[in-house]
Amino acid sequence: GAVVSQHPSWVICKSGTSVKIECRSLDFQATTMFWYRQFPKQSLMLMATSNEGSKATYEQGVEKDKFLINHASLTLSTLTVTSAHPEDSSFYICSAILRDNYGYTFGSGTRLTVV
Amino acid sequence: AQKVTQAQTEISVVEKEDVTLDCVYETRDTTYYLFWYKQPPSGELVFLIRRNSFDEQNEISGRYSWNFQKSTSSFNFTITASQVVDSAVYFCALSPRFGNEKLTFGTGTRLTIIP
Repeated sequence: GAVVSQHPSWVICKSGTSVKIECRSLDFQATTMFWYRQFPKQSLMLMATSNEGSKATYEQGVEKDKFLINHASLTLSTLTVTSAHPEDSSFYICSAILRDNYGYTFGSGTRLTVV
Repeated sequence: AQKVTQAQTEISVVEKEDVTLDCVYETRDTTYYLFWYKQPPSGELVFLIRRNSFDEQNEISGRYSWNFQKSTSSFNFTITASQVVDSAVYFCALSPRFGNEKLTFGTGTRLTIIP
Protein backbone atom coordinates (compact mmCIF):
# COMPACT_ATOMS: atom_id res chain seq x y z
CA GLY A 1 0.00 0.00 0.00
CA ALA A 2 0.90 3.67 -0.18
CA VAL A 3 3.43 4.56 2.47
CA VAL A 4 4.78 7.85 3.72
CA SER A 5 8.19 7.56 5.29
CA GLN A 6 8.85 10.21 7.92
CA HIS A 7 12.26 10.96 9.42
CA PRO A 8 13.56 11.36 11.97
CA SER A 9 11.33 9.52 14.41
CA TRP A 10 12.58 11.62 17.25
CA VAL A 11 15.00 14.46 17.64
CA ILE A 12 16.39 16.46 20.51
CA CYS A 13 17.83 19.85 19.71
CA LYS A 14 19.09 22.87 21.55
CA SER A 15 17.03 26.00 21.79
CA GLY A 16 17.77 28.35 18.92
CA THR A 17 18.74 25.69 16.39
CA SER A 18 16.75 24.52 13.39
CA VAL A 19 15.38 21.07 12.75
CA LYS A 20 14.25 19.56 9.46
CA ILE A 21 11.64 16.82 9.24
CA GLU A 22 11.22 14.90 6.01
CA CYS A 23 8.26 13.03 4.61
CA ARG A 24 8.74 10.91 1.52
CA SER A 25 5.96 9.19 -0.35
CA LEU A 26 6.93 5.72 -1.44
CA ASP A 27 5.39 4.17 -4.56
CA PHE A 28 3.04 7.08 -5.20
CA GLN A 29 3.09 10.78 -5.94
CA ALA A 30 1.96 13.06 -3.15
CA THR A 31 0.72 16.23 -4.78
CA THR A 32 -0.68 17.44 -1.47
CA MET A 33 0.85 16.96 1.95
CA PHE A 34 -0.61 18.04 5.28
CA TRP A 35 1.47 18.81 8.35
CA TYR A 36 -0.04 18.34 11.79
CA ARG A 37 1.17 19.08 15.28
CA GLN A 38 0.05 17.20 18.34
CA PHE A 39 0.79 18.33 21.88
CA PRO A 40 0.68 15.73 24.66
CA LYS A 41 -2.79 14.36 25.26
CA GLN A 42 -4.27 16.61 22.65
CA SER A 43 -5.66 16.18 19.17
CA LEU A 44 -3.92 16.65 15.86
CA MET A 45 -4.01 20.25 14.74
CA LEU A 46 -3.38 21.09 11.11
CA MET A 47 -0.47 23.46 10.67
CA ALA A 48 -0.27 23.79 6.93
CA THR A 49 -1.09 22.30 3.57
CA SER A 50 1.61 22.00 0.97
CA ASN A 51 1.15 21.42 -2.72
CA GLU A 52 3.99 20.37 -4.95
CA GLY A 53 5.60 23.33 -6.65
CA SER A 54 3.70 26.04 -4.82
CA LYS A 55 3.77 27.85 -1.51
CA ALA A 56 2.26 26.19 1.49
CA THR A 57 -1.01 27.38 2.96
CA TYR A 58 -0.74 27.94 6.68
CA GLU A 59 -3.54 27.70 9.21
CA GLN A 60 -4.39 30.72 11.26
CA GLY A 61 -1.97 31.26 14.10
CA VAL A 62 0.87 29.24 12.57
CA GLU A 63 4.00 31.29 11.90
CA LYS A 64 5.08 30.61 8.34
CA ASP A 65 8.53 32.08 8.94
CA LYS A 66 9.09 29.73 11.83
CA PHE A 67 7.71 26.58 10.26
CA LEU A 68 9.14 26.44 6.77
CA ILE A 69 7.52 23.94 4.45
CA ASN A 70 9.02 22.89 1.18
CA HIS A 71 7.32 20.57 -1.29
CA ALA A 72 9.75 20.70 -4.17
CA SER A 73 8.98 17.29 -5.62
CA LEU A 74 6.06 14.90 -5.84
CA THR A 75 7.71 12.55 -3.38
CA LEU A 76 9.24 14.82 -0.78
CA SER A 77 7.89 17.42 1.60
CA THR A 78 9.90 18.93 4.42
CA LEU A 79 9.08 20.91 7.53
CA THR A 80 11.83 22.98 9.07
CA VAL A 81 11.35 24.33 12.55
CA THR A 82 13.58 27.38 12.67
CA SER A 83 15.05 28.84 15.84
CA ALA A 84 13.33 26.18 17.88
CA HIS A 85 12.19 26.91 21.41
CA PRO A 86 11.02 24.56 24.16
CA GLU A 87 7.39 25.43 23.40
CA ASP A 88 7.89 23.93 19.93
CA SER A 89 8.42 20.55 21.54
CA SER A 90 5.66 18.42 20.12
CA PHE A 91 4.77 15.47 17.91
CA TYR A 92 4.76 16.39 14.23
CA ILE A 93 3.09 14.17 11.67
CA CYS A 94 2.61 14.45 7.94
CA SER A 95 -0.17 13.08 5.80
CA ALA A 96 -0.67 12.64 2.09
CA ILE A 97 -3.88 12.34 0.17
CA LEU A 98 -4.49 9.16 -1.74
CA ARG A 99 -6.52 10.48 -4.60
CA ASP A 100 -7.38 7.11 -6.03
CA ASN A 101 -9.42 5.99 -3.07
CA TYR A 102 -10.13 9.20 -1.23
CA GLY A 103 -8.04 8.21 1.72
CA TYR A 104 -5.11 9.53 3.65
CA THR A 105 -1.82 7.97 4.60
CA PHE A 106 0.19 9.22 7.52
CA GLY A 107 3.86 9.28 8.35
CA SER A 108 4.95 7.66 11.57
CA GLY A 109 5.51 11.01 13.23
CA THR A 110 8.46 12.92 14.66
CA ARG A 111 8.78 13.62 18.33
CA LEU A 112 10.68 16.89 18.73
CA THR A 113 12.15 17.90 22.06
CA VAL A 114 13.80 21.29 22.36
CA VAL A 115 16.06 21.73 25.37
CA ALA B 1 -16.91 24.80 8.92
CA GLN B 2 -16.49 21.24 10.08
CA LYS B 3 -16.40 20.10 13.66
CA VAL B 4 -15.97 16.72 15.29
CA THR B 5 -16.85 16.13 18.92
CA GLN B 6 -15.71 13.19 20.98
CA ALA B 7 -17.26 13.85 24.34
CA GLN B 8 -15.55 10.94 26.08
CA THR B 9 -12.06 12.04 27.01
CA GLU B 10 -11.06 8.82 28.74
CA ILE B 11 -12.69 5.44 29.12
CA SER B 12 -11.53 2.45 31.13
CA VAL B 13 -13.09 -0.97 30.86
CA VAL B 14 -12.15 -4.41 32.05
CA GLU B 15 -10.87 -6.78 29.43
CA LYS B 16 -13.56 -8.66 27.50
CA GLU B 17 -16.15 -5.97 28.08
CA ASP B 18 -17.71 -4.17 25.14
CA VAL B 19 -17.08 -0.46 24.75
CA THR B 20 -18.55 2.21 22.49
CA LEU B 21 -16.73 5.37 21.52
CA ASP B 22 -18.96 8.25 20.52
CA CYS B 23 -18.43 10.67 17.66
CA VAL B 24 -20.69 13.54 16.67
CA TYR B 25 -19.91 15.73 13.71
CA GLU B 26 -21.05 18.98 12.14
CA THR B 27 -20.78 19.90 8.50
CA ARG B 28 -22.69 21.88 5.90
CA ASP B 29 -21.49 19.64 3.10
CA THR B 30 -23.89 17.09 1.69
CA THR B 31 -21.00 14.88 0.65
CA TYR B 32 -18.33 14.08 3.18
CA TYR B 33 -16.19 11.30 4.58
CA LEU B 34 -15.86 10.08 8.14
CA PHE B 35 -12.88 8.23 9.53
CA TRP B 36 -11.71 6.47 12.65
CA TYR B 37 -8.03 6.19 13.54
CA LYS B 38 -6.22 4.43 16.34
CA GLN B 39 -3.13 5.97 17.88
CA PRO B 40 -1.15 3.57 20.08
CA PRO B 41 1.51 4.88 22.47
CA SER B 42 4.11 4.74 19.70
CA GLY B 43 2.29 7.62 18.03
CA GLU B 44 1.56 6.44 14.53
CA LEU B 45 -1.98 6.69 13.25
CA VAL B 46 -3.60 3.44 12.29
CA PHE B 47 -6.47 3.68 9.83
CA LEU B 48 -9.57 1.80 10.92
CA ILE B 49 -12.42 2.81 8.64
CA ARG B 50 -13.67 5.33 6.10
CA ARG B 51 -17.34 5.91 5.46
CA ASN B 52 -18.87 8.26 2.92
CA SER B 53 -22.01 10.22 3.67
CA PHE B 54 -24.12 8.28 1.19
CA ASP B 55 -23.46 4.95 2.80
CA GLU B 56 -25.33 4.58 6.05
CA GLN B 57 -24.88 0.87 6.32
CA ASN B 58 -23.31 -0.23 9.54
CA GLU B 59 -20.07 -2.09 9.22
CA ILE B 60 -18.49 -4.90 11.16
CA SER B 61 -14.88 -5.95 10.98
CA GLY B 62 -14.00 -8.64 13.45
CA ARG B 63 -14.47 -7.22 16.93
CA TYR B 64 -14.98 -3.72 15.56
CA SER B 65 -18.26 -2.27 14.41
CA TRP B 66 -19.41 1.16 13.38
CA ASN B 67 -22.85 2.76 13.57
CA PHE B 68 -23.37 5.67 11.20
CA GLN B 69 -26.56 7.69 11.67
CA LYS B 70 -26.95 10.81 9.56
CA SER B 71 -30.13 11.77 11.40
CA THR B 72 -28.13 12.36 14.56
CA SER B 73 -24.81 13.18 12.84
CA SER B 74 -23.10 10.41 14.73
CA PHE B 75 -20.54 7.81 13.77
CA ASN B 76 -19.99 5.62 16.81
CA PHE B 77 -17.40 2.89 17.15
CA THR B 78 -17.88 -0.27 19.21
CA ILE B 79 -15.26 -2.76 20.27
CA THR B 80 -16.66 -6.06 21.45
CA ALA B 81 -14.78 -8.37 23.78
CA SER B 82 -12.10 -5.76 24.34
CA GLN B 83 -8.47 -6.75 24.66
CA VAL B 84 -5.48 -5.07 26.27
CA VAL B 85 -4.05 -4.40 22.80
CA ASP B 86 -7.03 -2.16 22.14
CA SER B 87 -5.65 0.36 24.62
CA ALA B 88 -4.91 3.50 22.63
CA VAL B 89 -6.26 6.91 21.74
CA TYR B 90 -8.98 6.79 19.13
CA PHE B 91 -9.74 9.69 16.85
CA CYS B 92 -12.80 10.34 14.77
CA ALA B 93 -12.21 12.61 11.78
CA LEU B 94 -14.17 14.34 9.03
CA SER B 95 -13.21 15.26 5.50
CA PRO B 96 -15.39 17.49 3.35
CA ARG B 97 -16.60 16.79 -0.12
CA PHE B 98 -14.74 14.07 -1.93
CA GLY B 99 -12.12 13.34 0.66
CA ASN B 100 -9.47 15.43 -0.99
CA GLU B 101 -9.38 18.10 1.64
CA LYS B 102 -7.83 18.35 5.05
CA LEU B 103 -9.06 16.16 7.85
CA THR B 104 -10.70 17.68 10.89
CA PHE B 105 -10.01 15.55 13.94
CA GLY B 106 -11.98 15.17 17.11
CA THR B 107 -10.21 15.56 20.42
CA GLY B 108 -9.78 11.83 20.81
CA THR B 109 -10.83 9.26 23.36
CA ARG B 110 -8.18 7.53 25.43
CA LEU B 111 -9.24 3.94 25.92
CA THR B 112 -7.64 1.82 28.60
CA ILE B 113 -8.38 -1.86 28.79
CA ILE B 114 -7.74 -3.23 32.26
CA PRO B 115 -6.47 -6.81 32.33
